[in-house]
Amino acid sequence: EVQLVESGGGLVQPGGSLRLSCAASGFIFSDHYMDWVRQAPGKGLEWVGRARNKANGYNTDYAASVRGRFTISRDDSRTSLYLQMNSLKIEDTAVYYCVKSSGSPRYFDCWGQGTLVTVSS
Amino acid sequence: DIQMTQSPSSLSASVGDRVTITCRASQVISNYLAWFQQKPGKAPKSLVFAASNLHDGVPSRFSGSGFGTDFTLTISNLQPEDSATYYCQHYNNDPRTFGQGTKVEIK
Repeated sequence: EVQLVESGGGLVQPGGSLRLSCAASGFIFSDHYMDWVRQAPGKGLEWVGRARNKANGYNTDYAASVRGRFTISRDDSRTSLYLQMNSLKIEDTAVYYCVKSSGSPRYFDCWGQGTLVTVSS
Repeated sequence: DIQMTQSPSSLSASVGDRVTITCRASQVISNYLAWFQQKPGKAPKSLVFAASNLHDGVPSRFSGSGFGTDFTLTISNLQPEDSATYYCQHYNNDPRTFGQGTKVEIK
């Protein structure tokens, strides 16, 4: 059974940093692209970015709203995905979901339970 | 960026009804269209990929169709557990964008 478990959320002040983790199990992690998607309170879903797999150079892609502030990385030996968030803004307040992608082009197939990040002074 | 527009924003229907949600893309996306179901306080669940393919375990009362710019998600024989918000999303290119959601309530 695929499991994606996010951690690391919490309260942070504007301008601060936070690192989210996603522990994956139940599938061959190294084969898959992995994404982050967020959802502000009471709002819709927003794609944040992705980490491609080793076969695609571990390259990363980002939404314009986070590019230059957020960094996605992965550790295949630990089957984990990370989201380093710097220069946080109030509008980054959201539940952050770790998502497994499959197929070509990649579509989302499994979601974690999410972790809440609150940016507030 | 490709804009995804869903309609209606909300609907109310009775158990056993057939419900249709539409999603329109602002440009052609082939069949690179997914649907997700989200219940309050829960993570989204993947229902459909490639416009019409159900993920494993999704009940057969759910079906998707469409190609190009216009897509539909149909729930036949609506059940109480189908009360949720449904989102479409394209994966034709980056950024992946979602529709604004359709809230389905059971009368």
